[in-house]
Amino acid sequence: DIQVTQSPSTLSASVGDRVTITCRASQTISTWLAWYQQKPGRAPKLLISKASSLEDGVPSRFSGSGSGTEFTLTISSLQPDDFATYYCQQYSSLLYSFGQGTKLEIK
Amino acid sequence: QVQLVESGGGVVQPGRSLRLSCAASGFTFRTYAMHWVRQAPGKGLEWVAVISYDGRDKYYVDSVKGRFTISRDNSKNTVYLQMNSLRTKDTAVYYCTKGPPDDFWSGYYPYWGQGTLVTVSS
Repeated sequence: DIQVTQSPSTLSASVGDRVTITCRASQTISTWLAWYQQKPGRAPKLLISKASSLEDGVPSRFSGSGSGTEFTLTISSLQPDDFATYYCQQYSSLLYSFGQGTKLEIK
Repeated sequence: QVQLVESGGGVVQPGRSLRLSCAASGFTFRTYAMHWVRQAPGKGLEWVAVISYDGRDKYYVDSVKGRFTISRDNSKNTVYLQMNSLRTKDTAVYYCTKGPPDDFWSGYYPYWGQGTLVTVSS
C-alpha cells in the first residue's frame, strides 16, 4: 500500500501570505495526486487533480506541482475564505490513500 | 448536475449491522465506479471501498475487509455499504463519491455526497 505523508499538520498564516503544503508518497505515483479543501461540517472540495491541474472555478492563487514522490500545494496570496483544512490524496493504486491533513489557521 | 445523497446512518451498538445507501442522479450511473470514503470525528479522510460499474469488482481498505460489503443496483441508481460487526472505530461520517465525467474508474473525486454519520456506541 502507498502511504502519503503531509506536512505541516498545522500552519498559521495571515491574509496575503504565500503558503506551501507538502505531500510525500512512499513510492512513486507519477502525477496521480489530488488536493482537496475541507471546511467544518462540509464535504471536501476538489481543488487540483493530476498534481497540477486546477479544477474549474478554483481561484488561480491555488497551484500544485510535483511528480514521483514529492508534491506541493501553494496558495500565492491567502484570502479569508482559504482558512480550512487541506488534504492530498494519491490515486495511483488501490488503496487510494489520503494525507493526514493540514489545518490552515489565521495567525 | 451530479447529485449523491447518502442515507442510513445512525447510532448502533458494537457488533451490530447497518446499511448505508447512496442515491445518485445527474449522470449515467451504470457506467461509473462508485466509492465510499469516511471521516472519523476530528480526524482525516480514509478511503473505504470501491465497486466497478457492473458490480463485478470490489476493493476494500484492510480495516473493513470481511465486515463491510459494497454493492450496487443500477436499476435504482443506488450504491450500498453493508456494514457488519461494527466497531467503535467505525464511527465516522461516510461519504459516497464519484470520479470525473471522463474517467469511469478514477480514484479522485470531484463529486461528494453530504455524508451520513454512523455512531457505534454502547
